[in-house]
Amino acid sequence: AQSVAQPEDQVNVAEGNPLTVKCTYSVSGNPYLFWYVQYPNRGLQFLLKYITGDNLVKGSYGFEAEFNKSQTSFHLKKPSALVSDSALYFCAVSPLGTSGTYKYIFGTGTRLKVLA
Amino acid sequence: EPEVTQTPSHQVTQMGQEVILRCVPISNHLYFYWYRQILGQKVEFLVSFYNNEISEKSEIFDDQFSVERPDGSNFTLKIRSTKLEDSAMYFCASRPGTSTYNEQFFGPGTRLTVL
Repeated sequence: AQSVAQPEDQVNVAEGNPLTVKCTYSVSGNPYLFWYVQYPNRGLQFLLKYITGDNLVKGSYGFEAEFNKSQTSFHLKKPSALVSDSALYFCAVSPLGTSGTYKYIFGTGTRLKVLA
Repeated sequence: EPEVTQTPSHQVTQMGQEVILRCVPISNHLYFYWYRQILGQKVEFLVSFYNNEISEKSEIFDDQFSVERPDGSNFTLKIRSTKLEDSAMYFCASRPGTSTYNEQFFGPGTRLTVL
């Protein structure tokens, strides 16, 4: 079965420190990979995506993500965390199949808490 | 910036009642989706819709569920006879479709509470 894992329910980091939110996936082929952020009472906001090419992709609000094909991972990173980055982060994978729907398979989410 | 909107933000209903959740996708988008998130659990795919028909549905999307795009702008999810376990946050999403790797744009969600 296809799945996405976010092994940490919560990540705590001090403001100004680098942060990493982990994501691994088990999906056949070369799926598209995405990160979304959810603030309280808001929908999912797109942060960045990996389609092909350079393994390090840059996105919104200073976030970046590193794709590792051999480890089937797509970890979200930021060099210097802000208190305002505190939110729920979802990794999503879009398998490429004949149906062409490009649906998402989501991880369970990781709550990021940045401490002042 | 265009955005996906959803109404209502919160719907409370009695078990066995029908509910319709409404979404207005971004106007030039071609692919539409419904997802749900049961409290404390991950976001799950329900159904995708393209060219006025369902293109894929999950095991969750049984005969109690239906989707419709009645007027070219709204995209609705109907649950015919709600169950307690239908209580969840329901997210609508849309995607341009001009490229295979466009990301999806999500609405703010409708929280459905079945009593």
